[in-house]
Amino acid sequence: DVKVTQSSRYLVKRTGEKVFLECVQDMDHENMFWYRQDPGLGLRLIYFSYDVKMKEKGDIPEGYSVSREKKERFSLILESASTNQTSMYLCASSLLSSLRSGNTIYFGEGSWLTVV
Amino acid sequence: GESVGLHLPTLSVQEGDNSIINCAYSNSASDYFIWYKQESGKGPQFIIDIRSNMDKRQGQRVTVLLNKTVKHLSLQIAATQPGDSAVYFCAENTGGFKTIFGAGTRLFVKA
Repeated sequence: DVKVTQSSRYLVKRTGEKVFLECVQDMDHENMFWYRQDPGLGLRLIYFSYDVKMKEKGDIPEGYSVSREKKERFSLILESASTNQTSMYLCASSLLSSLRSGNTIYFGEGSWLTVV
Repeated sequence: GESVGLHLPTLSVQEGDNSIINCAYSNSASDYFIWYKQESGKGPQFIIDIRSNMDKRQGQRVTVLLNKTVKHLSLQIAATQPGDSAVYFCAENTGGFKTIFGAGTRLFVKA
């Protein structure tokens, strides 16, 4: 089974703090993603990476950055946390760039971030 | 995916009944579709997928139907159980990295 692990499940941070969310996948997947999920809204893509040290902006990259130094690890960084970044953050991975049957997106358990 | 809104549509079914969850997708060029189940406090779990060259695909207790004419996707769950209570959402992909996720439908199963 694919395992996507988000190290922090629940975090409370202060406005202005720098926040790191870490994600590790154990299936040698090429692609990794960070989404945020808010009540009543679909998943929104923040950033994705299709290779080590490569990154692409998603739909809502403002206020975030990412780092992919190793294939299995993808970090989301909030340089200066703000209250509107309070959300659930989901890391995901997929094997190939084109989603097809048997090559889908697998998600971690999520990281609940509250910024006060 | 479904229209984005603050309140999730809700479906309430009796244990043992069949459930049908619907999704209207947005892009006629989408060629791959996925259904996910998300339990409270957890990440989304893959349930079943279907390619655009198919109308129907069956899994264990689940069936996905695709109607490309009206851009509609449905998930049927047979003999719904309390453990099926969750938010279900569809996703569409046009190839590459762009996947659009619906907001979801909350399924309540009454014992």
